[in-house]
Amino acid sequence: QSVLTQPPSVSGAPGQRVTISCTGSSSNIGAGYTVHWYQQLPGTAPKLLIYGDNNRPSGVPDRFSGSISGTSASLAITGLQAEDEADYYCQSYDSSLSEVLFGGGTKLTVL
Amino acid sequence: VQLVQSGAEVKKPGESLKISCKASGFSFTDYWIGWVRQMPGKGLEWMGIIYPGDSNTRYSPSFQGQVTISADKSISTAYLQWSSLKASDTAMFYCVRQPTVTTNVDYWGQGTLVTVSS
Repeated sequence: QSVLTQPPSVSGAPGQRVTISCTGSSSNIGAGYTVHWYQQLPGTAPKLLIYGDNNRPSGVPDRFSGSISGTSASLAITGLQAEDEADYYCQSYDSSLSEVLFGGGTKLTVL
Repeated sequence: VQLVQSGAEVKKPGESLKISCKASGFSFTDYWIGWVRQMPGKGLEWMGIIYPGDSNTRYSPSFQGQVTISADKSISTAYLQWSSLKASDTAMFYCVRQPTVTTNVDYWGQGTLVTVSS
């Protein structure tokens, strides 16, 4: 069981909005360590999607956004497209464990 | 920025292995280089990280003592090695770059698939 908890799967129809949650604790997200999100398409290396809680690297569409509330983070995807079907991972740092943490991952299915 | 990893490996249990990650396009000694494991059909696990500038190395408690991370700054290459592989080491291993230990991965290598089977 990952210290950063994500739902195993979410789904949505094209054009809809979906959110993926990432629940942490007072030693990681709640301690102010920033949250980052990665997209992993089948058979490829992960790609940085959101960094520093809510910043998009160059080239990432503004349909993707991140937010933080207390000890949790969320990734929102609006205007869902077939190409968004992938696995999504959150990441932060934990001061108690002294290590980088990844969430367990969420599989997004576009219906 | 590029992180180019060595090719796929097929090994037997008990054998040793060292895989590599050749960095280019940035100052190798100014960034942390880490390793991430992804077992078949599973999620991402951070294994550890090294700062080639001074060889400062940190390990996840889950991987401490199981693997060794090293770097050769003269050839901008980081390494991940095992002294005695187990079948449970079968996985894809990604080399990654991080500006600091507490921040995001900003670049990923293409991955090295390690298969351990008798």
